[in-house]
Amino acid sequence: GAGVSQTPSNKVTEKGKYVELRCDPISGHTALYWYRQSLGQGPEFLIYFQGTGAADDSGLPNDRFFAVRPEGSVSTLKIQRTERGDSAVYLCASSPVGGLYNEQFFGPGTRLTVL
Amino acid sequence: AQRVTQPEKLLSVFKGAPVELKCNYSYSGSPELFWYVQYSRQRLQLLLRHISRESIKGFTADLNKGETSFHLKKPFAQEEDSAMYYCASTGTASKLTFGTGTRLQVTL
Repeated sequence: GAGVSQTPSNKVTEKGKYVELRCDPISGHTALYWYRQSLGQGPEFLIYFQGTGAADDSGLPNDRFFAVRPEGSVSTLKIQRTERGDSAVYLCASSPVGGLYNEQFFGPGTRLTVL
Repeated sequence: AQRVTQPEKLLSVFKGAPVELKCNYSYSGSPELFWYVQYSRQRLQLLLRHISRESIKGFTADLNKGETSFHLKKPFAQEEDSAMYYCASTGTASKLTFGTGTRLQVTL
C-alpha cells in the first residue's frame, strides 16, 4: 500500500517568506508526527497529532511554527517569516494509534532551504 | 529531559566482521527503545524495538538498564547493512527522541 507522502520534496524560499509543507499519512493512521532533521543530527520532534487535535506541540521552536490537521488525515506544517536557521529536512511520520510502543512510519521528507 | 547518545558518527567494518553500534539513553523511567535505519536514498524505517525482543536481518539489541544502554549487534556484517542507524526512545509520551546517528560502512 501507499506509504506516507510529503510535498513538496524540495522547497527553496527567501528569508522572511511563508511556507507550507504537506503530509499525507497512511490511510487509517490516527497518529501523525512532525520532526525536523538538521544536517548531521537525528530527527527532532516538533508536534504530535492524535486525530484532529495536537496532543503534544512541545517541540515547536517558536510561534512562527504552526501545524494543523483539520480532518484527521492530511497535515500541514506552516512556517511564518522563515529564517536561515529553519533550513532542514522536515519529516512526517504516522502510526495506527499513538503510544509509546508503536512503530512510526516515515515519509521521504521535505528539504527546506531558506536563502 | 530525555537524551539518546550515539558516540560514533562513523563505524567502518569489514564484511563478515562483528558489528556493535552503541546507544546510551538517559531517562529515569522505563523508556521504550528503538533502532531505526535509513538506507541510501530510502526513507527512515524501523529496524527493531526492545518490546518485540526480535532479531531483524540478523541484528539484535539488548536493553541494559544498569548501563542505560541499548547497543545494536550483528555477528557477521554484510555489505547491504551499510546505512545510517539511529537509536531512539520514547518516555511518557509517544514522541521519539533520536540520537545523532551512526553511519555503518561495511567494506570488502
